[in-house]
Amino acid sequence: AQKITQTQPGMFVQEKEAVTLDCTYDTSDPSYGLFWYKQPSSGEMIFLIYQGSYDQQNATEGRYSLNFQKARKSANLVISASQLGDSAMYFCAMEGASKIIFGSGTRLSIRP
Amino acid sequence: GAVVSQHPSWVICKSGTSVKIECRSLDFQATTMFWYRQFPKQSLMLMATSNEGSKATYEQGVEKDKFLINHASLTLSTLTVTSAHPEDSSFYICSAEKIGRAIHEQYFGPGTRLTVT
Repeated sequence: AQKITQTQPGMFVQEKEAVTLDCTYDTSDPSYGLFWYKQPSSGEMIFLIYQGSYDQQNATEGRYSLNFQKARKSANLVISASQLGDSAMYFCAMEGASKIIFGSGTRLSIRP
Repeated sequence: GAVVSQHPSWVICKSGTSVKIECRSLDFQATTMFWYRQFPKQSLMLMATSNEGSKATYEQGVEKDKFLINHASLTLSTLTVTSAHPEDSSFYICSAEKIGRAIHEQYFGPGTRLTVT
């Protein structure tokens, strides 16, 4: 069975600081993908970044980077230079068996 | 881009009535769409996978007779909550998978907030 675990229910970070959101996963599939989504209070799911299990390099998208450590089964999201608009729920997710499963989420709050 | 719409964005209905939620891919075709439910302060839970022209695949614990899914075309899937009850009040989100792409290219709709009174 596949499982995604986010152990930080909430985090507070000062504006302009970097923040790391933790995500660990478990799967027996040799090929899988890992995502991060942002969900602001409006409810829409915003795709941030994707990492394939066979990708040699960590994925980066602007201020977002994914710290992929395959042996540890972790896929942490790093947001550099946080902004007030980064305040939202963040979900780690994994694709497998033709569907995506989501972690429980981390609520990130950015302090001015 | 790839845009997915949902209609309505919010709905209030009385207990015992049925509610239909539409999910449309506006600028691409999707053979597969997914329906999720999200309770307040919780994660998205996959309810079912909707395939165009065939029966939906429901996740364990989801009543297929209560949550009717119809994927009538390559751009439209509908979720009907039949005989809704207050415990069905939730945020329902759909996503659409673009044809010819890997599963990670899913595009989410803005969600529908259902309140059953």
